[in-house]
Order: sequence, then structure tokens, then C-alpha cells
Amino acid sequence: DAGVIQSPRHEVTEMGQEVTLRCKPISGHDYLFWYRQTMMRGLELLIYFNNNVPIDDSGMPEDRFSAKMPNASFSTLKIQPSEPRDSAVYFCASSPDRGTSYEQYFGPGTRLTVT
Amino acid sequence: AQSVTQPDIHITVSEGASLELRCNYSYGATPYLFWYVQSPGQGLQLLLKYFSGDTLVQGIKGFEAEFKRSQSSFNLRKPSVHWSDAAEYFCAVGATTGFQKLVFGTGTRLLVSP
Repeated sequence: DAGVIQSPRHEVTEMGQEVTLRCKPISGHDYLFWYRQTMMRGLELLIYFNNNVPIDDSGMPEDRFSAKMPNASFSTLKIQPSEPRDSAVYFCASSPDRGTSYEQYFGPGTRLTVT
Repeated sequence: AQSVTQPDIHITVSEGASLELRCNYSYGATPYLFWYVQSPGQGLQLLLKYFSGDTLVQGIKGFEAEFKRSQSSFNLRKPSVHWSDAAEYFCAVGATTGFQKLVFGTGTRLLVSP
């Protein structure tokens, strides 16, 4: 398996622009997670899906952030409009459904810089 | 809800010396426990996990961790550190009944001196 795939790996954009981050989870995994990592706040869970349905989005910072999972093999995290404080590394992770917490497999991340 | 504490923000170890990274958790029962490693510019990679059974678990890259219920700890160890082990290490805890998200610690950055 290719593992979790994220694109792009790096994104530089200007404040006010829309940014879309993409993720392909490991085939057969039923859970998908979006995290944000910064020096100040560490690793934060933004949202997670189970069988393409959002389960917990309490970590999404504000309405400028939205996430979708239209099918089992694709998810997007969108920021509109972007702000400099959104600069961070965004990770996608997936996990099989074993009924309880299980290990998560992380993608390589997307480094977002908003100028 | 579960929580996890990694008391050491930074640790410096000489190459060839032994290593122990601390992790303490809070949970009402025996949780699932994980250690992840993040090399610079990379995603998190699973080092090892504890679900049940033998309290000493072996992982990749020569790492091991020991679950101690009495101390609510899951410390990571390696007998001889290599320069390539320099990275950030995250402990995580998960519930064992009903799905809940993993809770990650704040991480410990390992520096390896020559």
C-alpha cells in the first residue's frame, strides 16, 4: 500500500486566497483525521470522519475552515479566506475500524505558508 | 476522557548512550498506548503500540516501551542511541471501549550529541 497520500506537499499563498488541501487515505481504512501542527500549539486534531461522515469537528478553528469526504478514498480541507496565522503543517491520517481506538497512519503533511 | 503527559520538552543524549523518554497517561482503565516518531519535515511514524498482554513491547528501530499500570506510565527506551534517532517523539493514548480519538502528548525533542 502506498500509505496516506497528501497533496500538495508545500503551498504558499497570499492572505485572502482560498486554499485546498487533499488527502487519500489507506484503502480499507474507515477513519480519516485532519491535524494541524504548529510550534506554538503542537499537534491539534481539527476534524475526523468515519465512513465519510464527519464525527467530531470541534477542533476546527473557525468558519473559514471546512472539510469534506465525498468518498472513501478522498478528503479535502479548505481554508477560505486564508490568513497568515493559518500557516502550519497540516497532516492527514487514517485508521482502520476495529471498534475502538486504533493506531493512526499519517501522511507526509502539507506545509502551508500564508503571506 | 483520556489524557497524556510528556514531562520532558527536550532531551540531549550522547550517541551510544541509553535513552528513556517518559510518558504518563490518565484513563479509567488500561488504555491503548502508542509511541510515534517524527523526523524533521516528515509525518508521524508509528514506533510501537501496547494493547494487552506482555507489558514490554518491542518496536521498530530498536525501541521498546514498558507499560506500568501502577505508575500509569509507558516509557520509551533504547539501549544505544544513534545520531539518526534525533527527532520528536510523541506518546498517544486511546480508549478501549467505544471509538474515541487518540490523544497525543506535546512531544519530546531528542537531540543526539556526538
